[in-house]
Amino acid sequence: EIVMTQSPAILSVSPGERATLSCRASQNANRNLAWYQQKPGQAPRLLIYDVSTRATGVPARFSGSGSGTDFTLTISSLQSEDFAVYFCQHYNNWPKFGQGTKVEIK
Amino acid sequence: EVHLVESGGVVAQPGGSLRLSCAASGFNFHDYVMHWVRQAPGEGLEWVSLISSDGASAYYADSVKGRFTSSRDNSRDSLYLQMNNVRAEDSGFYYCAKGGYTYVRHLDAWGQGTLVTVSS
Repeated sequence: EIVMTQSPAILSVSPGERATLSCRASQNANRNLAWYQQKPGQAPRLLIYDVSTRATGVPARFSGSGSGTDFTLTISSLQSEDFAVYFCQHYNNWPKFGQGTKVEIK
Repeated sequence: EVHLVESGGVVAQPGGSLRLSCAASGFNFHDYVMHWVRQAPGEGLEWVSLISSDGASAYYADSVKGRFTSSRDNSRDSLYLQMNNVRAEDSGFYYCAKGGYTYVRHLDAWGQGTLVTVSS
């Protein structure tokens, strides 16, 4: 079973700055890696799938990269609406989520 | 536009049963694998179950295997989760989510969730 580990647990960033979130898989996840955004009181929303493909309607400031076991979500210039919790997920077989990174206002 | 609406969340006693429903619209429901994902308040996401597009096969997380059963009615564009012998640790929001044509895909649409509380 693949274990997904996200870091950091909390990321404090000022609006307009870049945010870099990491996700590590305990085994090769191939390209079966997605990122989700969740705001308080809302359901998760798909941002990125297949490591680097943005979902419909996701702004270009969100980008995904990585391969194998190490993956990154980058938000190039944080907007107020981007402060949220972000989860990575592999789907090599049954879905497995990381524990999340909270992006908070610095 | 894809729309998923869960219902059926209640307060249940330990050892009790409940059934969650998810009404789908805006896509060809019968073509897609569907999932249940849960989230305890303030915690992360835990995949619970998936069911094949035709409903013939379902798979479960070890934490719910033997207690939960997923089913679907493609004539009604509806997904169900039968939860038996529930435990306190089953409490949380339950989301239905749309998968892909195959088992191994991301979840590209989620419902708003329904809250299950297991407490005596």
